[in-house]
Amino acid sequence: ILNVEQSPQSLHVQEGDSTNFTCSFPSSNFYALHWYRWETAKSPEALFVMTLNGDEKKKGRISATLNTKEGYSYLYIKGSQPEDSATYLCAFNTGGFKTIFGAGTRLFVKA
Amino acid sequence: NAGVTQTPKFQVLKTGQSMTLQCAQDMNHNSMYWYRQDPGMGLRLIYYSASEGTTDKGEVPNGYNVSRLNKREFSLRLESAAPSQTSVYFCASSGIGQMETQYFGPGTRLLVL
Repeated sequence: ILNVEQSPQSLHVQEGDSTNFTCSFPSSNFYALHWYRWETAKSPEALFVMTLNGDEKKKGRISATLNTKEGYSYLYIKGSQPEDSATYLCAFNTGGFKTIFGAGTRLFVKA
Repeated sequence: NAGVTQTPKFQVLKTGQSMTLQCAQDMNHNSMYWYRQDPGMGLRLIYYSASEGTTDKGEVPNGYNVSRLNKREFSLRLESAAPSQTSVYFCASSGIGQMETQYFGPGTRLLVL
């Protein structure tokens, strides 16, 4: 059974702090890794999709890296703001239509 | 452009009752999905439809059926609801290509008593 693990489960930071989370996935049969941002009472929204070992993606203050050989991805948020408070999901795809989601890291940013 | 829409937003059922959750997308996407989301767990795939006319089981298909009515619509049916099916259900769609980003609907919160 393929498993995607995210850590930490939750994180409380102060406004202005930089933070990062980890997504671990099976290193075999890798096809794509997605990051989604999920605000309370809304739907998950895509942040990044990465396919190549060493990929780095950036959107504003948020960036992500990918290591397919060791099976992990990091998501970084620089200078966290209260509006960054959300659950961040990673999702692993082996090339079929089935995507395996992690349980998410819930970020709370205090003003 | 509404994206992915789901109805109803919230439903309460008694054990044994049946219901259909509706999903529609206006992005001309080929693939559609149904997930359930339970506390402490990731989104789990119930069924998916890679393209119009096809449906396949996901990780947790037992107790559910689906219909890909046309390219836009993908419905999820609970024939005889059980308390274990209390969950939040999300529909999603994506374009051609298995690495495509999925676009999610707002979710249906289902409570089975």
